[in-house]
Amino acid sequence: AQSVSQHNHHVILSEAASLELGCNYSYGGTVNLFWYVQYPGQHLQLLLKYFSGDPLVKGIKGFEAEFIKSKFSFNLRKPSVQWSDTAEYFCAVNAARYSTLTFGKGTMLLVSP
Amino acid sequence: DAGVIQSPRHEVTEMGQEVTLRCKPISGHDYLFWYRQTMMRGLELLIYFNNNVPIDDSGMPEDRFSAKMPNASFSTLKIQPSEPRDSAVYFCASSLGNIQYFGAGTRLSVL
Repeated sequence: AQSVSQHNHHVILSEAASLELGCNYSYGGTVNLFWYVQYPGQHLQLLLKYFSGDPLVKGIKGFEAEFIKSKFSFNLRKPSVQWSDTAEYFCAVNAARYSTLTFGKGTMLLVSP
Repeated sequence: DAGVIQSPRHEVTEMGQEVTLRCKPISGHDYLFWYRQTMMRGLELLIYFNNNVPIDDSGMPEDRFSAKMPNASFSTLKIQPSEPRDSAVYFCASSLGNIQYFGAGTRLSVL
């Protein structure tokens, strides 16, 4: 079975600070990896995804994530956060032969102006 | 495309009443998923369909929950009878391939 672990439940940063949210998964086979973002009161939106190829993937709004296969990790980064990045961030994994996503518990990011 | 459409956006009901949540997936998508989101348990997959056929309903918490997909453009999640612990945000998502697109959700409050 797949599982996803997000290390931080809550992160508080000031504007312009750098962000890194940790995500580890457990599954021995080929995986597809995702980060979704949920702004307050809104639905989940895809931030970025990794299927294959370059392990450093770039998403919307200046976010990027790096897939490190040896560490089973897919950490999300942004060099300089903005107040508008305040949201909950979910890491998700999909074993390539399955149709379902397994989500982490989410990390709530609060960016203070 | 308008995206995944859910209705109602908010539902307030009393314990014991039947609740029906509705979802219209993105046209052409062959998978449909129902999730429940709570503070305590996060995002949980309840059931999913492929080509209108239920594939895995192991996440459905109890027999009070049922879901149907009578055609490719419509699905319902029904709770009968509802209980206060069913209060949550219920999301529908659809996909064609590996990317799931989520609806705006239904916020259910059972008093």
